[in-house]
Amino acid sequence: NAGVTQTPKFRVLKTGQSMTLLCAQDMNHEYMYWYRQDPGMGLRLIHYSVGEGTTAKGEVPDGYNVSRLKKQNFLLGLESAAPSQTSVYFCASSWRGGSSYNEQFFGPGTRLTVL
Amino acid sequence: AQSVTQLGSHVSVSEGALVLLRCNYSSSVPPYLFWYVQYPNQGLQLLLKYTTGATLVKGINGFEAEFKKSETSFHLTKPSAHMSDAAEYFCAVSKGGSYIPTFGRGTSLIVHP
Repeated sequence: NAGVTQTPKFRVLKTGQSMTLLCAQDMNHEYMYWYRQDPGMGLRLIHYSVGEGTTAKGEVPDGYNVSRLKKQNFLLGLESAAPSQTSVYFCASSWRGGSSYNEQFFGPGTRLTVL
Repeated sequence: AQSVTQLGSHVSVSEGALVLLRCNYSSSVPPYLFWYVQYPNQGLQLLLKYTTGATLVKGINGFEAEFKKSETSFHLTKPSAHMSDAAEYFCAVSKGGSYIPTFGRGTSLIVHP
C-alpha cells in the first residue's frame, strides 16, 4: 500500500496563478483533510471531506477550493495564488469511527512558494 | 470545544537524557488523545494514542505517554534520548464521534550529542 500520496512535492507560483494539489489514498478511508503548516502555527485545517461528493470548510478556507469526486482522491485548488499562501500543505485521511478512533494518516507534503 | 496546549515550542536535551514533552488539553467529554511525530521534510506519523483503558500508553521508538484525567494532561516521555529522536512532536485531541482532531502547535525536540 502506498498510503497517502501527494502531487506535486514542490511548486513555485507567481502571484495570481492557479494550481491544483492532488491527494490520493489507497486505504479506502472515508474522511480526508487538507492542512497547511506554517512556522509556529502548527497545523491548520483548510477543508475536509466526510465522503465522496462532500466537502466542508475548516479553520482557514479562504482562497482555497476542494473537490472529492472519487473516494480515493481529494483535490485542493488555489484559484489566484497569493504570497500568504506560501506554506507546506499536508493531506490526511482517516477511517470513519470504529477501532481507529480517528487516527489520521498523512501524506509527505507539498511545499508551495508564491512569489 | 476542545483545545490543546503544548508547553514549550522547543525542548533541548542531551543524548541519553530523559525526554519530557508536555501536553494539556481541554475537552467537554472523555477525549481520544494522540501524539504524532514529524521528521524533517516528512509528513506526520502516529507515535501513540490513548482511547480507553490503561492510562499509560506505549508507542513506537520507546516513547510512552500517561493520560491523567485530573490534570487534563497527556505528557510524552522517553527515558533516554537518541539523536534520531530530533523531530517535531504534535499532541492532538478528538472527542468520541468527532472526526476533526484539534492539534497543538508542536514542540521541536533538539538532541545534543
